Amino acid sequence: AQSVTQLGSHVSVSEGALVLLRCNYSSSVPPYLFWYVQYPNQGLQLLLKYTTGATLVKGINGFEAEFKKSETSFHLTKPSAHMSDAAEYFCAVSGSGGTSYGKLTFGQGTILTVHP
Amino acid sequence: GAGVSQSPSNKVTEKGKDVELRCDPISGHTALYWYRQSLGQGLEFLIYFQGNSAPDKSGLPSDRFSAERTGGSVSTLTIQRTQQEDSAVYLCASSWRTGRDTQYFGPGTRLTVL
Repeated sequence: AQSVTQLGSHVSVSEGALVLLRCNYSSSVPPYLFWYVQYPNQGLQLLLKYTTGATLVKGINGFEAEFKKSETSFHLTKPSAHMSDAAEYFCAVSGSGGTSYGKLTFGQGTILTVHP
Repeated sequence: GAGVSQSPSNKVTEKGKDVELRCDPISGHTALYWYRQSLGQGLEFLIYFQGNSAPDKSGLPSDRFSAERTGGSVSTLTIQRTQQEDSAVYLCASSWRTGRDTQYFGPGTRLTVL
């Protein structure tokens, strides 16, 4: 079984400041991990994903995430926040096998607010 | 190319009525997923299809919920005898194959049960 915990339901930063959104996962097999972003009244858009190989993953809009197996973490970062980054962010892990192989398990989401 | 589309975008219905939600996946994607997003429960998996078969229906909350997929393309999620707790945004996603391919999401259908 898989699970995802996102620490902090709300994160507030100033424009230009570092963005750090935390995600910890539990998986019985090597995980595939995803970050999605959701803007108001829209569906989910993929920011980045980790499958295998390089542990630092770069995504769209200047975001990146680092897979740390020893810490079971996949935190999302961006060096400098823009007003347009304000949205809700979801971390997800892919199913481990059998009939649940493709199913995504999501964290509860983190709402990012960016102040001028 | 075109993304995942869903219709209607909004649906308001009365308690006890049946509703049908439609999903058109990205052309060529063999896997299709339904999720539900609600304030209390977050994002929950409902069901997925590989072709026209549904190997995993474990997320359907009750027997009032059913889904089908025809021709390996369009899918319909049906909720019978709707209840107020069914109010949520229903999201559809598709991917090239089942497994761990990236899932691309549609804009969702917001269902409100009065």
